[in-house]
Amino acid sequence: DTAVSQTPKYLVTQMGNDKSIKCEQNLGHDTMYWYKQDSKKFLKIMFSYNNKELIINETVPNRFSPKSPDKAHLNLHINSLELGDSAVYFCASSQEKNEQYFGPGTRLTVT
Amino acid sequence: DAKTTQPPSMDCAEGRAANLPCNHSTISGNEYVYWYRQIHSQGPQYIIHGLKNNETNEMASLIITEDRKSSTLILPHATLRDTAVYYCIVSRPWGNTGKLIFGQGTTLQVKP
Repeated sequence: DTAVSQTPKYLVTQMGNDKSIKCEQNLGHDTMYWYKQDSKKFLKIMFSYNNKELIINETVPNRFSPKSPDKAHLNLHINSLELGDSAVYFCASSQEKNEQYFGPGTRLTVT
Repeated sequence: DAKTTQPPSMDCAEGRAANLPCNHSTISGNEYVYWYRQIHSQGPQYIIHGLKNNETNEMASLIITEDRKSSTLILPHATLRDTAVYYCIVSRPWGNTGKLIFGQGTTLQVKP
């Protein structure tokens, strides 16, 4: 059984479009995260939710909006996509804050 | 959170022990050392963590110096599947938002 799953795995879209990436975890964890890994492979946290409450909001453009309908899901919606948004986006979850379990990633390409 | 310093790359022969060093000279008393790895095109994977005692699990061993200013991750019998980028991170688990700060890590190449 997949612990942390993301859909889609690949996403190719044009500048200006709006897109969403979905994340689900079946581990019963209370906290979920979104990370961005850019072309230089730097992995950086974007958001964190604990029991549906936003607890980390790094300096991310407000075109990015996380939504947590329940504690097993954390979706990422991106408005007005830009070329610089091209990256791999990873979802993660944890019960113990620093033992995080990551999903397989979503490779977003903006053309 | 304290910063860490790791060598950018290392090689290891298959079947041998891989010893990955990490310096964290500014670590504070309540910060733990965490190790993650990222195999190509996959999400990062938690390996192990420790405070000051040496730790071992089914994946690896973690040796932390007495002054806690450095540590070593040991993969006892490296396989080709252990080729990955290994990240050493220091962070507080309590009262912490779970904000892991990933550096550049060490790219470990296991060779046949």
